[in-house]
Amino acid sequence: QVQLQQSGPGLVKPSQTLSLTCAISGDSVSSNSAAWNWIRQSPSRGLEWLGRTYYRSMWYFDYAVSVKSRITISPDTPKNQFSLHLNSVTPEDTAVYYCARGIEAVDYWGQGTLVTVSS
Amino acid sequence: EIVLTHSPGTLSLSPGERATLSCRASQSVSSSHLAWYQQKPGQAPRLLIYGASSRATGIPDRFSGSGSGTDFTLTISRLEPEDFAVYFCQQYGSSLGYTFGQGTKLEIK
Repeated sequence: QVQLQQSGPGLVKPSQTLSLTCAISGDSVSSNSAAWNWIRQSPSRGLEWLGRTYYRSMWYFDYAVSVKSRITISPDTPKNQFSLHLNSVTPEDTAVYYCARGIEAVDYWGQGTLVTVSS
Repeated sequence: EIVLTHSPGTLSLSPGERATLSCRASQSVSSSHLAWYQQKPGQAPRLLIYGASSRATGIPDRFSGSGSGTDFTLTISRLEPEDFAVYFCQQYGSSLGYTFGQGTKLEIK
């Protein structure tokens, strides 16, 4: 059974960097058949895919156009986890953030982290 | 970018009734790249249907998906009390990632 456990702060100041980590059990971040995603949800924007990383003999990264200049997703193979870093945040980045496994459909989700951007 | 539009926005039905939820895409979507999710308050979405019509593991057979091209449907044959939730469709766009619809809220009448 795959489980994704998220960790990270729930409050970030404007202009700073939002950082979250997703620890994987029951699968591997360097699996050749999975992709590891970050998705957020807010009342104003709904469910919004932010980006993903996956390993196919080398690491690949895809990012949503809306955040491409501000986002980094980093795999950590020794710890079997992956992280989200979103810089220069504004109150519009306030949302519930989810990590998730999926290539096409998303079959496993983390528990979600409410991140509020406020001074 | 492909936009997914749900109809209706809210659906009011009673337990035991049949629910039909629609998801329309702004351009053609490969059937293998269309999924449906259920979300309850305070929870992450749960995968119901992938590939437009295949049920995910553990999903009851009262849930079914159909459609192709730009029009897709999620049907719940006989509503159980636990089925009242928000339902989203999602499409996969290769390196463009996922897009999600805004959802249909299924509420008890």
